[in-house]
Amino acid sequence: DADVTQTPRNRITKTGKRIMLECSQTKGHDRMYWYRQDPGLGLRLIYYSFDVKDINKGEISDGYSVSRQAQAKFSLSLESAIPNQTALYFCATMERGSDTQYFGPGTRLTVL
Amino acid sequence: GIQVEQSPPDLILQEGANSTLRCNFSDSVNNLQWFHQNPWGQLINLFYIPSGTKQNGRLSATTVATERYSLLYISSSQTTDSGVYFCAVFSGTYKYIFGTGTRLKVLA
Repeated sequence: DADVTQTPRNRITKTGKRIMLECSQTKGHDRMYWYRQDPGLGLRLIYYSFDVKDINKGEISDGYSVSRQAQAKFSLSLESAIPNQTALYFCATMERGSDTQYFGPGTRLTVL
Repeated sequence: GIQVEQSPPDLILQEGANSTLRCNFSDSVNNLQWFHQNPWGQLINLFYIPSGTKQNGRLSATTVATERYSLLYISSSQTTDSGVYFCAVFSGTYKYIFGTGTRLKVLA
């Protein structure tokens, strides 16, 4: 089984809809991250969390919110989706004391 | 913040050729990772290399932290090496900064 899973893997939605992307990990890492990737660009950080009670904005947090329900789960919400949020979204984990990130398989989101 | 630049942006190789990808960064970093994003979008860790040289099969990487660059070498390239190669640097603020990638296409 994969260590970092994301659901759904693909989603098509309409402008104005609320969307939640979920990330789960079995690695036991305390740090979790959400990134988005736009075509031809690298990954940009949306939010990150060091533990359940420690959540921080990344460089492009506007229009997004997150919830860290447990150490193993970190969800990303788009309260009112807009077309320029169409992108590939990645969740990642990192163990305390380590600098190595581990990525989930990604969620491809299309907002029409 | 730290700037990360990768070159070349695009690269086309014939199968069997060798290549070198470069990552320059603008400030001191605690760590650097190289990733391969395959055509299906999956990100695969290649190397965790804050300094020095590492090798894994046909791939090797060298980071010269004092000169703020890292190189990824691909030898005897195969079509399965196609995809996008990213470097990402970690500056100690618990956040990674990604470069914009090198898109590699290996022709059979």
